Amino acid sequence: QITLKESGPTLVKPTQTLTLTCTFSGFSLSTSGVGVGWIRQPPGKALEWLALIYWDDDKRYSPSLKSRLTITKDTSKNQVVLTMTNMDPVDTATYYCAHRQEEGSGWPFDYWGQGTLVTVSS
Amino acid sequence: SYVLTQPPSVSVAPGQTARITCGGNNIGDKSVHWYQQKPGQAPVLVVFDDSDRPSGIPERFSGSNSGNTATLTISRVEAGDEADYYCQVWDSSSEHVFGTGTKVTVL
Repeated sequence: QITLKESGPTLVKPTQTLTLTCTFSGFSLSTSGVGVGWIRQPPGKALEWLALIYWDDDKRYSPSLKSRLTITKDTSKNQVVLTMTNMDPVDTATYYCAHRQEEGSGWPFDYWGQGTLVTVSS
Repeated sequence: SYVLTQPPSVSVAPGQTARITCGGNNIGDKSVHWYQQKPGQAPVLVVFDDSDRPSGIPERFSGSNSGNTATLTISRVEAGDEADYYCQVWDSSSEHVFGTGTKVTVL
């Protein structure tokens, strides 16, 4: 049974750096093809993909946010960490992590965490 | 960047068929995935790779994809199908792209 859970601060100040952790179970990030991604959703708005890391440490970023994002993994702890620098109120959103079984285009985000709401405000 | 456009809302009576479109340039050449999101909950995958269903998803959910439009069809709509629906593809320049989302209302 695959599960994922996001953790991190609920409130950050503008210009600060956000660090979110995704802790998962039921799969290993050392298994060929597997990836974990981050997706966010501002209140009342659509989903937006942010970043994804694969079993072989291949990292992919949203072109529009690439300069602000860093994704890393700790395979021994079953964790993936996302950092986002220079936070702004427009970054207020629910942040989800999600599992991807393979790297090919035909593979979806098949398991999602419950999400964590991050508010950016002074 | 690659853009996926969905109608903001679709209304359907119980027992009828809901069709949700997802428009994108030559989307027929891509694999399309669909997610259902109920208020306050995480998205749930309902269709992947254009027309496949994950285990546990009712056969009432089906998908198609051709040309510049992909479609999620919900047959025999039930009250529990009321939710937001998002399409998603992988694009070589934009990586993972989500659609604008469609709110399905069951009348």
